[in-house]
Amino acid sequence: EVQLVESGGGLIQPGGSLRLSCAASGFTVSSNYMSWVRQAPGKGLEWVSVIYSSGSTYYADSVRGRFTISRDNSKNTLYLQLNSLRAEDTAMYYCASQGPYSTGWLGYWGQGTLVTVSS
Amino acid sequence: EIVLTQSPATLSLSPGERATLSCRASQSVSSYLAWYQQKPGQAPRLLIYDASNRVTGIPARFSGSGSGTDFTLTISSLEPEDFAVYYCQQRSSWPPFGQGTRLEIK
Repeated sequence: EVQLVESGGGLIQPGGSLRLSCAASGFTVSSNYMSWVRQAPGKGLEWVSVIYSSGSTYYADSVRGRFTISRDNSKNTLYLQLNSLRAEDTAMYYCASQGPYSTGWLGYWGQGTLVTVSS
Repeated sequence: EIVLTQSPATLSLSPGERATLSCRASQSVSSYLAWYQQKPGQAPRLLIYDASNRVTGIPARFSGSGSGTDFTLTISSLEPEDFAVYYCQQRSSWPPFGQGTRLEIK
């Protein structure tokens, strides 16, 4: 069974840092297109970052230079390092993978981890 | 940058009715468009990819159509569990998501 389990969210002060984790089971992270998507309270979906199976990474303009996506193949886990956090980064952060579909589609999703940036 | 515009923002219908949701791209995305459903408190779920391919396990009442810049998600006869927010997504450029259509019970 495919499963994505996020962790690492919480309450953090502006300017602080967090590392989100997404533990995968049932498939290999390194062979898949993996993404982080966030959703601010009451708002729509915002694609934050993506890492291709090749290792190439991309970021939304809103987070470039502050967030870093990475993976640990030995742990089959995806990460998102969040630095210099701002109030507008407050959101539910979802980990997602392409699954059995073409690169670019998100067939599998985790349940999300909530990041709240507030003093 | 390709902008996806979904309409209407909110659609109020009754169970059993037909729902038609629109997604328009600011430039052609060929058939590279997907639809997701999100219910309150849940992660999004992929329904349709490549404009018209239904994900395994998604009921046949859901169908997608279109190509180029105009796409439609049709729910032929609404069930109570279909009332949710629907997002379209393209994979040609950033940002990929539309702003969503809320399908609510009338």
